[in-house]
Amino acid sequence: GAGVSQSPSNKVTEKGKDVELRCDPISGHTALYWYRQSLGQGLEFLIYFQGNSAPDKSGLPSDRFSAERTGGSVSTLTIQRTQQEDSAVYLCASSPAGRKRGGTQYFGPGTRLTVL
Amino acid sequence: KQEVTQIPAALSVPEGENLVLNCSFTDSAIYNLQWFRQDPGKGLTSLLLIQSSQREQTSGRLNASLDKSSGRSTLYIAASQPGDSATYLCAGPSGGGSEKLVFGKGTKLTVNP
Repeated sequence: GAGVSQSPSNKVTEKGKDVELRCDPISGHTALYWYRQSLGQGLEFLIYFQGNSAPDKSGLPSDRFSAERTGGSVSTLTIQRTQQEDSAVYLCASSPAGRKRGGTQYFGPGTRLTVL
Repeated sequence: KQEVTQIPAALSVPEGENLVLNCSFTDSAIYNLQWFRQDPGKGLTSLLLIQSSQREQTSGRLNASLDKSSGRSTLYIAASQPGDSATYLCAGPSGGGSEKLVFGKGTKLTVNP
């Protein structure tokens, strides 16, 4: 079946602009995660959604970052007033269950964001 | 606060060799640990997920072990092939029952034909 998809695959924007990144998880997966991978920094957790529970936003680096998950499916990560340090690959993952219940995460191909 | 370290950062081996990748973590109260593979320009592929109650997991030529008491996990790759060339990442929960994953910086493996 279809895996996790993300769009766009590449995004180039100017400093100060807002951007929206989209994630379509695997159908039926209740858990959804956003991560950021910066050059030399490794993978960094951003936010976690599980069903209808309040999301875990503890990884969001600033209040310029926000994310929504509509109808328990598609998620959008929004970055307002982008800065050059926001340049990274943004990865989305979904899981049929939370990790504590042994859910394996399935990753999308990522969106490469470049802020000029 | 969980910290995950992977050694070595890069490894180059000839085809056919057996090899071990190392992962260490500081918070031993983890409920599971996961190994991933990342190919250049692509997302992550989950390889193995080891629950805290398990000591190892096997999938084909891959075997991952978990030793909570020592804060270590290893990924053993048998009879390596050029197609195994990729970056291997391990990740564990940040602690406190959080779903937040903390990743190591990975080991870049090159298998030479």
